[in-house]
Amino acid sequence: GNSVTQMQGQVTLSEEEFLFINCTYSTTGYPTLFWYVQYPGEGPQLLLKVTTANNKGSSRGFEATYDKGTTSFHLQKASVQESDSAVYYCVLGDRNTGYQNFYFGKGTSLTVIP
Amino acid sequence: EAAVTQSPRSKVAVTGGKVTLSCHQTNNHDYMYWYRQDTGHGLRLIHYSYVADSTEKGDIPDGYKASRPSQENFSLILELASLSQTAVYFCASSDALGGRYETLYFGSGTRLTVL
Repeated sequence: GNSVTQMQGQVTLSEEEFLFINCTYSTTGYPTLFWYVQYPGEGPQLLLKVTTANNKGSSRGFEATYDKGTTSFHLQKASVQESDSAVYYCVLGDRNTGYQNFYFGKGTSLTVIP
Repeated sequence: EAAVTQSPRSKVAVTGGKVTLSCHQTNNHDYMYWYRQDTGHGLRLIHYSYVADSTEKGDIPDGYKASRPSQENFSLILELASLSQTAVYFCASSDALGGRYETLYFGSGTRLTVL
């Protein structure tokens, strides 16, 4: 079946430090992978999308790529700011059932200390 | 701007009672979803719908029903609420244009507490 494993539950960084969050995924189809971000009191919102392995998606200073060989997907940012504090979800898009569905990892809570 | 509105924002229910969570979208999207969020579990899919008057089971449908009377409205129904259904519930919509995956647009969530 489809699944996403996001091992880092919590990450704490100081401002201007480097962020790296990794996920692994499992699917029998051709995935599209996403990162969603959730701020307190809000629903998740799209951060970026990567449709092709080894291609890079980027948005708001964040970058993501996925490796089909290792079935891994990561998010990185060179220099985090306090405003980046949020929960980040890696998400697998799949149509194996014939319908469009999205599978979420458990989320990584990022705290950036000023 | 895409808009998904959930009501109520929070609710306290009694065990064994009936609870209905409502969702309304103005995006003209085909797909609508109900997710449940629990600490340590991320978001898990309960039910979804790709067309009015039809619903499909997601990964954790037990104890929940869904209803899609129109393209804009999608409800989640707990016929007999239980303590284990205390969670935050999110509704989302997305389009399905050709073979591309489109963005999920989420509502602000409903915090349900079952006592």
